[in-house]
Amino acid sequence: EVQLLQSGGTLVQPGGSLRLSCAASGFTFSNYGMTWVRQAPGKGLEWVSTISDTGGNTYYADSVKGRFTISRDHSRNTLYLQMNSLRAEDTAIYFCAKAYTMTDLAPFDYWGQGTLVTVSS
Amino acid sequence: SSELTQDPAVSVALGQTVRITCQGDSVRTHYASWYQQRPGQAPILVIYGKNNRPSGIPDRFSGSISGSTASLTITGAQAEDEADYYCNSRDSSGNHLVFGRGTKLTVL
Repeated sequence: EVQLLQSGGTLVQPGGSLRLSCAASGFTFSNYGMTWVRQAPGKGLEWVSTISDTGGNTYYADSVKGRFTISRDHSRNTLYLQMNSLRAEDTAIYFCAKAYTMTDLAPFDYWGQGTLVTVSS
Repeated sequence: SSELTQDPAVSVALGQTVRITCQGDSVRTHYASWYQQRPGQAPILVIYGKNNRPSGIPDRFSGSISGSTASLTITGAQAEDEADYYCNSRDSSGNHLVFGRGTKLTVL
């Protein structure tokens, strides 16, 4: 059974940093691209970042480029999102998601449970 | 980045057919995928590619594309289909993904 177990969400001050984690199990982690999607309270889904199966390609939304870094550790089967210079508008539930195929930026067939990041003083 | 335009809300009578649309230039080049999200839950993929359903998605869900408009059709809507539906595709650069703003489906 595919599982994506997220952790790391919390309250952080503006300008602060935070790292989200997404522990994967039930599939060969190194064979699939992974993505972060966020959802501000009461709002729609927003794509944040994607990393290819090998980790060699990364993609970022303009709203987070230069502040967020996506990475993956195949020895730990874990996806990460390092978030720096956080702003109030980064407040959202962050979901990790697994691509359904090896193709970069492919649709996501499994999602984590989400973790809430609140940026506030 | 390209935009994907969805109607904010659509309603359908129980057992009837409803079409949810997603308009954007990028869907001419890149297929749209569709996600269902019930309140307080993570999204679920319901349609991807030309018209593919993941395992476990009922066959009342189908997808199509005409020009710059992708559509999700639910044939014989059920009460449990009441949810928000989001389309998703690559933008015109091909290196970013974009979501539509979502359509709230009410089953009457």
